[in-house]
Amino acid sequence: AQSVTQPDIHITVSEGASLELRCNYSYGATPYLFWYVQSPGQGLQLLLKYFSGDTLVQGIKGFEAEFKRSQSSFNLRKPSVHWSDAAEYFCAVGAWGNEKLTFGTGTRLTIIP
Amino acid sequence: DGGITQSPKYLFRKEGQNVTLSCEQNLNHDAMYWYRQDPGQGLRLIYYSQIVNDFQKGDIAEGYSVSREKKESFPLTVTSAQKNPTAFYLCASSSRSNTGELFFGEGSRLTVL
Repeated sequence: AQSVTQPDIHITVSEGASLELRCNYSYGATPYLFWYVQSPGQGLQLLLKYFSGDTLVQGIKGFEAEFKRSQSSFNLRKPSVHWSDAAEYFCAVGAWGNEKLTFGTGTRLTIIP
Repeated sequence: DGGITQSPKYLFRKEGQNVTLSCEQNLNHDAMYWYRQDPGQGLRLIYYSQIVNDFQKGDIAEGYSVSREKKESFPLTVTSAQKNPTAFYLCASSSRSNTGELFFGEGSRLTVL
């Protein structure tokens, strides 16, 4: 069975600082990996996705993520955070032919001035 | 603009009552999903449907029911058998040509009084 672990429940960073959110997955086949962002009381928006090819993927809002098969990781990064990045971030795993995504428990990001 | 519409956004119900949450999409997507979100637990799949008149149970289907009579609509009924129905419910859809990427509605918050 596929699973996703986001080890950090809550992260606080200063505005302008760099950010890395961790995601580890477990899946027998080649995974499809996603990062979604959720503002309070809202639905989820896709930040970026990895299907194959280049292991460093670029997303919206200046985010990027790197797929590392040897570490079963897909960490999300941003070089300089903005106050508007405060939200909850979810990593998810799926696969070709598997219509169901499995989500991690999320990481809540707080930005301090 | 294409998207997913969930209604109502907020709903209160008394114990023992059934309630139906609406989900409509105009993205022409084949697959639709219902997720439940609780603090610290991420998103858990309730039901999903890949084609009209067919649907499958997800990980936490007990106490819920769905129908898929039209491609655009996938209503969720929270029955009185659901022991802890207070939660945030998210509807999503996906296209076969965009494997795995989910498009979400803005959610419905159900509170049982």
